[in-house]
Amino acid sequence: EAGVTQFPSHSVIEKGQTVTLRCDPISGHDNLYWYRRVMGKEIKFLLHFVKESKQDESGMPNNRFLAERTGGTYSTLKVQPAELEDSGVYFCASSQGWRGQETQYFGPGTRLLVL
Amino acid sequence: GNSVTQMEGPVTLSEEAFLTINCTYTATGYPSLFWYVQYPGEGLQLLLKATKADDKGSNKGFEATYRKETTSFHLEKGSVQVSDSAVYFCALTDLGGTSYGKLTFGQGTILTVHP
Repeated sequence: EAGVTQFPSHSVIEKGQTVTLRCDPISGHDNLYWYRRVMGKEIKFLLHFVKESKQDESGMPNNRFLAERTGGTYSTLKVQPAELEDSGVYFCASSQGWRGQETQYFGPGTRLLVL
Repeated sequence: GNSVTQMEGPVTLSEEAFLTINCTYTATGYPSLFWYVQYPGEGLQLLLKATKADDKGSNKGFEATYRKETTSFHLEKGSVQVSDSAVYFCALTDLGGTSYGKLTFGQGTILTVHP
């Protein structure tokens, strides 16, 4: 069974440009989460999809970030326009279940550097 | 709100030494507790978990006990190996919150084990 995959693995862009990150969860997992780790700080929650619906987007930093999950399969996270403070590692995770105790399976992350 | 505090790193040990990484938490509801590990160049993977008070999670020689009275979930291993070198994250999900499954992480502890 394939794990969670993320694309690209690395991205270097200039301030003001747009970047789109993609996450493919484990097949059949209804829950998809996005997290971010800014250098030197803890991993922080961004948002949670259940199938194609946003269950919780309380962690999204501002309206420059837009997440979608069309058809309840893969998800994209777009940053437009990117700012220096958006640099960090973006993780995606998926799980199945609704009790909140389930194991989340993480992708390898996308390392974003905004210059 | 919820929070997780881990002992500051980095931690450097010799092979076969005893390991303890402290983790304490604050939660508003009924948290489940997790330890995730990130090996070099890889994504996060679940190491162990405990879903209620006094539960002990264990895996690969690592153990942690959910202590409600001290709000702690310390990670221990009796004899570390070089292959245990990684970053360790303590985390919780809180069923009393608005988003089930949302992980709150500690800042991570870097462990380096020397031969």
